[in-house]
Amino acid sequence: AIRMTQSPSSLSASTGDRVTITCRASQGISSYLAWYQQKPGKAPKLLIYAASTLQSGVPSRFSGSGSGTDFTLTISCLQSEDFATYYCQQYYSYPRTFGPGTKVDIK
Amino acid sequence: QVQLVQSGAEVKKPGASVKVSCKASGYTFTGYYMHWVRQAPGQGLEWMGRINPNSGGTNYAQKFQGRVTMTRDTSISTAYMELSRLRSDDTAVYYCASLDLRSGVDYWGQGTLVTVSS
Repeated sequence: AIRMTQSPSSLSASTGDRVTITCRASQGISSYLAWYQQKPGKAPKLLIYAASTLQSGVPSRFSGSGSGTDFTLTISCLQSEDFATYYCQQYYSYPRTFGPGTKVDIK
Repeated sequence: QVQLVQSGAEVKKPGASVKVSCKASGYTFTGYYMHWVRQAPGQGLEWMGRINPNSGGTNYAQKFQGRVTMTRDTSISTAYMELSRLRSDDTAVYYCASLDLRSGVDYWGQGTLVTVSS
């Protein structure tokens, strides 16, 4: 199985900050990577797929980049509604595996 | 609108089985694979497996092989996930999700809390 890691595991930031989260795959996954946002008590929400394609309706302050094994999610100007946990997931092969998550909270 | 409505919370004893349902509406049920993802309290997301609603073909995470069975009833647009030989560490919220990440399709159920306790 492909192992996904994320860093940092958590971060504290202020509204307006630029935030970058890194995701690494244990082997190459081309661009078969998705990013999800999850708020407490809610189902995950797809933000980005194919490593860099913004899901419909997702604000443009979110962006993704990378291919192969190294990927990043960037929030260009953090808003109050962005405080949440973010997960990456590979869909290159089965089993589909998630990263452990990055919790973004208020500084 | 698109909805995935899951069955209600369950409390089970260790060793028992649980079957969670996921009823789809507002889209073509057979159009996308149905995945099951779980989340233990305070923990991350864990992919359990998926079913092709067209063929009934499945892929399961090795961790759950032999304990999980995913089925579907296309006549009522409903998918099912049954987990047997429950243990306390199976306590989690179980989500169904109709996904096609190659085209950005993601529909999620509201989650079903399964509590395993003696």
